[in-house]
Amino acid sequence: DQQVKQNSPSLSVQEGRISILNCDYTNSMFDYFLWYKKYPAEGPTFLISISSIKDKNEDGRFTVFLNKSAKHLSLHIVPSQPGDSAVYFCAASAGNNNDMRFGAGTRLTVKP
Amino acid sequence: NAGVTQTPKFQVLKTGQSMTLQCAQDMNHNSMYWYRQDPGMGLRLIYYSASEGTTDKGEVPNGYNVSRLNKREFSLRLESAAPSQTSVYFCASSPDSYFQETQYFGPGTRLLVL
Repeated sequence: DQQVKQNSPSLSVQEGRISILNCDYTNSMFDYFLWYKKYPAEGPTFLISISSIKDKNEDGRFTVFLNKSAKHLSLHIVPSQPGDSAVYFCAASAGNNNDMRFGAGTRLTVKP
Repeated sequence: NAGVTQTPKFQVLKTGQSMTLQCAQDMNHNSMYWYRQDPGMGLRLIYYSASEGTTDKGEVPNGYNVSRLNKREFSLRLESAAPSQTSVYFCASSPDSYFQETQYFGPGTRLLVL
């Protein structure tokens, strides 16, 4: 039962353009959402998070949008850079860290 | 600061063999976690340790045991490996599991069970 879904396994964008990665969830109890970035042969690293009391959070080139009614969040990267090429995981939790659920990941390729 | 370290990086086992995956963190975190990652699926929590001396089951605990040796170290043991346990295993830590905080991940152990 995948409670967090990333329906696009891969995404390719041109350098300088916007990358939009999407994530859907089914559990209405989730109240904290995170995006992790993963390079090959490395562990995931934290990128950005958002609490359910907000609908937007920005950190430099990265913005996460949360639509609670649609149970949908998205990560926008503007402008995209070749170094952003990685696998991006969406994650969600309900109240604590003990039951974090992850999506399957989206592989982003940014072409120079 | 090494962060979270895992050994070994890669291991091949035969069905029925046992092994222990080691994990250590130097960030003085209270909570540690073991995940597995399989193709087409997200990371799934196997076991976690909210604090030294405690361990609890996660989403997919069957076939695994864990030991929180001290605050720094959290090991994962496969008593009798099965091909279904072929996966990439990640250890993670966070300051405290009872709050929603960033988890810091190790580089992973790639395990192949033949």
